[in-house]
Amino acid sequence: DAKTTQPNSMESNEEEPVHLPCNHSTISGTDYIHWYRQLPSQGPEYVIHGLTSNVNNRMASLAIAEDRKSSTLILHRATLRDAAVYYCILRSFQGAQKLVFGQGTRLTINP
Amino acid sequence: EAGVTQFPSHSVIEKGQTVTLRCDPISGHDNLYWYRRVMGKEIKFLLHFVKESKQDESGMPNNRFLAERTGGTYSTLKVQPAELEDSGVYFCASSQHNNSPLHFGNGTRLTVT
Repeated sequence: DAKTTQPNSMESNEEEPVHLPCNHSTISGTDYIHWYRQLPSQGPEYVIHGLTSNVNNRMASLAIAEDRKSSTLILHRATLRDAAVYYCILRSFQGAQKLVFGQGTRLTINP
Repeated sequence: EAGVTQFPSHSVIEKGQTVTLRCDPISGHDNLYWYRRVMGKEIKFLLHFVKESKQDESGMPNNRFLAERTGGTYSTLKVQPAELEDSGVYFCASSQHNNSPLHFGNGTRLTVT
């Protein structure tokens, strides 16, 4: 399974943008970049995913480097409810469809 | 639509006993997954059903764990006999298609004493 590298923790202030980085230098051509997050006492929650182009949805934006070896999840205006562990996961559209979770980034939002 | 539901939310059992966890996926979702997080470690994949067939069970730790999905609807995960190291949170997830995002339940917290 292709591996991702994320900072263990990050901190930001409420109503400010947050940029969560992820390195995936061994990404293959069949890998999508997925982001999930886990709020306290809940199961993981899908955030966004992309292949090559930048993606936007109601929750966040995903910026993907041109060589696809890194990506950044962008929360445009963080709220206290965004405090969670964020996971960057590579998921192939071929073969096994399982998600492989790493340690993720624990995001703390200060009021 | 109703999300993925798991029952029970908490279970405390003694070592050597049997526990059965249940997962009800989102209606119409053919894919069902089991994951677990033990002892503060990373969330680990256990297995993947497509309808009632086991597509991938490479993450099942040993033969004390048995997962079923008769009829391709809800799934059960039985641990028999339970050991102390089985304590953790067991998550179920479902997805409509192979490449669709996964929807997770809130998990069952299992404590083996």
